[in-house]
Amino acid sequence: GENVEQHPSTLSVQEGDSAVIKCTYSDSASNYFPWYKQELGKRPQLIIDIRSNVGEKKDQRIAVTLNKTAKHFSLHITETQPEDSAVYFCAASIQGAQKLVFGQGTRLTINP
Amino acid sequence: GAGVSQSPSNKVTEKGKDVELRCDPISGHTALYWYRQSLGQGLEFLIYFQGNSAPDKSGLPSDRFSAERTGGSVSTLTIQRTQQEDSAVYLCASSFPWDNEQFFGPGTRLTVL
Repeated sequence: GENVEQHPSTLSVQEGDSAVIKCTYSDSASNYFPWYKQELGKRPQLIIDIRSNVGEKKDQRIAVTLNKTAKHFSLHITETQPEDSAVYFCAASIQGAQKLVFGQGTRLTINP
Repeated sequence: GAGVSQSPSNKVTEKGKDVELRCDPISGHTALYWYRQSLGQGLEFLIYFQGNSAPDKSGLPSDRFSAERTGGSVSTLTIQRTQQEDSAVYLCASSFPWDNEQFFGPGTRLTVL
């Protein structure tokens, strides 16, 4: 079955700098890749997603890139702010299979 | 409209007791999912419903775990003879059947003493 690896497990950056989180997946049939943000004690919230027919997607300070050949995708956050501090999860899904397979999460800390 | 709701928000039980966790999905979402999140870990898929049927139960860790859904809406996850390793946050999510985007509930924190 699908396996998703996420790195790093923790990331600390200065406010205003960029943060990058990377994930790799194993099943070449996966075609949907969401990123969720989970603040302490709260539910995961979708922040951006990408499908396998595109290579990059951007939403203000957040972008995701996908390399289907290498089977990896990355989350980029620019101009980081303290409210970006949270745990971020990547996931992969196969169209029709529905279930999401999650990475282990990255705890991002933005230092003021 | 309201988001996904779950009850109870917290449940403390003794080892060996049965527990029932409830999920109320977003209205119109026929797809419903249960995940488990152990402390500091990622989300582990348990079961997926489309309407009242469960085409994918592959993530249920043992036969002590079961789930049902009635009326294409509310779902109940039941854990029988709870063990300490069952302690985790149990998250429910729902989506439209044609859409991969899943919306999560707030979770039920289960503690087995």
